Amino acid sequence: DGGITQSPKYLFRKEGQNVTLSCEQNLNHDAMYWYRQDPGQGLRLIYYSQIVNDFQKGDIAEGYSVSREKKESFPLTVTSAQKNPTAFYLCASRRGGLRVNEQFFGPGTRLTVL
Amino acid sequence: GENVEQHPSTLSVQEGDSAVIKCTYSDSASNYFPWYKQELGKRPQLIIDIRSNVGEKKDQRIAVTLNKTAKHFSLHITETQPEDSAVYFCAAGYSTLTFGKGTMLLVSP
Repeated sequence: DGGITQSPKYLFRKEGQNVTLSCEQNLNHDAMYWYRQDPGQGLRLIYYSQIVNDFQKGDIAEGYSVSREKKESFPLTVTSAQKNPTAFYLCASRRGGLRVNEQFFGPGTRLTVL
Repeated sequence: GENVEQHPSTLSVQEGDSAVIKCTYSDSASNYFPWYKQELGKRPQLIIDIRSNVGEKKDQRIAVTLNKTAKHFSLHITETQPEDSAVYFCAAGYSTLTFGKGTMLLVSP
């Protein structure tokens, strides 16, 4: 179903702890994205990467970090600096290239801070 | 940056009626306008998209229109069915997308 996997599906974290969310794709897509979804807020862009070893901040990058060491992987770390991390996190990927095209989404990780 | 406004936030229709969801955008450089459907607890899935060189696109019961001059685009669903009930998101952009806040569509049998 789209070739994008996210793990875990549910994640619980204590305040003050860092946590890393996994995103893997086997679609050979160049671009990858992380979004945060809160009720009534739509999807907001956290970070994106157009190519391996390069990434850019999105609209709400504070308190998050990413890496893109491999084309198929784009992990997101939620740090203790993120003041309200409880949310549904979605990863997406896109083929890239000059012609704009569809973003495919992973199944999401629901993070709850206890 | 881009700003996308989506209306209405909720829409209730009877089965068989038509549903229309409207979005406006602010950045004239945006040239890609997808619509996603998201069922409860699941991932968003693309239902239709349109590029800035096209004014209208149809796919069976779903159509999208784009007015670049006015910077607005709309989703039209005809002959709605209960399985159309979901949250619908519009988006605008190019390599990155800005999403609207979503419309919850409820189709009653």
